[in-house]
Amino acid sequence: KAGVTQTPRYLIKTRGQQVTLSCSPISGHRSVSWYQQTPGQGLQFLFEYFSETQRNKGNFPGRFSGRQFSNSRSEMNVSTLELGDSALYLCASRIAGAYEQYFGPGTRLTVT
Amino acid sequence: AQSVTQPDIHITVSEGASLELRCNYSYGATPYLFWYVQSPGQGLQLLLKYFSGDTLVQGIKGFEAEFKRSQSSFNLRKPSVHWSDAAEYFCAVGDTGGFKTIFGAGTRLFVKA
Repeated sequence: KAGVTQTPRYLIKTRGQQVTLSCSPISGHRSVSWYQQTPGQGLQFLFEYFSETQRNKGNFPGRFSGRQFSNSRSEMNVSTLELGDSALYLCASRIAGAYEQYFGPGTRLTVT
Repeated sequence: AQSVTQPDIHITVSEGASLELRCNYSYGATPYLFWYVQSPGQGLQLLLKYFSGDTLVQGIKGFEAEFKRSQSSFNLRKPSVHWSDAAEYFCAVGDTGGFKTIFGAGTRLFVKA
């Protein structure tokens, strides 16, 4: 069974631009979560989607948004990029009702 | 509020030596506990999990962890470390109320020859 895939793997953007990251969960997994990982803040939870609905949300500004499609694929969007948004963005999926998550390789976003 | 503490930011062990990574959690009920490993530039891989039952759980790559309710701990162990074990290790607790997962800050493991 294929794992969680994320595209693109690397991205360089300029301050003020916006970016969209994509995540395809493991087949059969309907929950997708997004995390931001930085050296200073560690792993921070952004949001979780289940069956196209946002179920949980972390403490991030409204510039960070997401959505989930009917095939469980998810996208995350960051508008008006700031230098501090440079990070590894990780997506994780899980089966409904389970707690263990399976992570993708991440998207490395660099904002210049 | 639920929290996870990994007291050691980094640990260095010699190849072949035993390893123990510490994890303490704060949670009102019986927690769901996890250990993940992350190699540089990669995502997190689930090593093992504890939900209930036997307090000593076996995971992949020769790792095991022991749940000690009295100490609110879930320490990760390996009897003999290999150079390929060098990575960052994250302890996490599942919030049974909201289906959230709370991660510790991580412990970076260095392995010396």
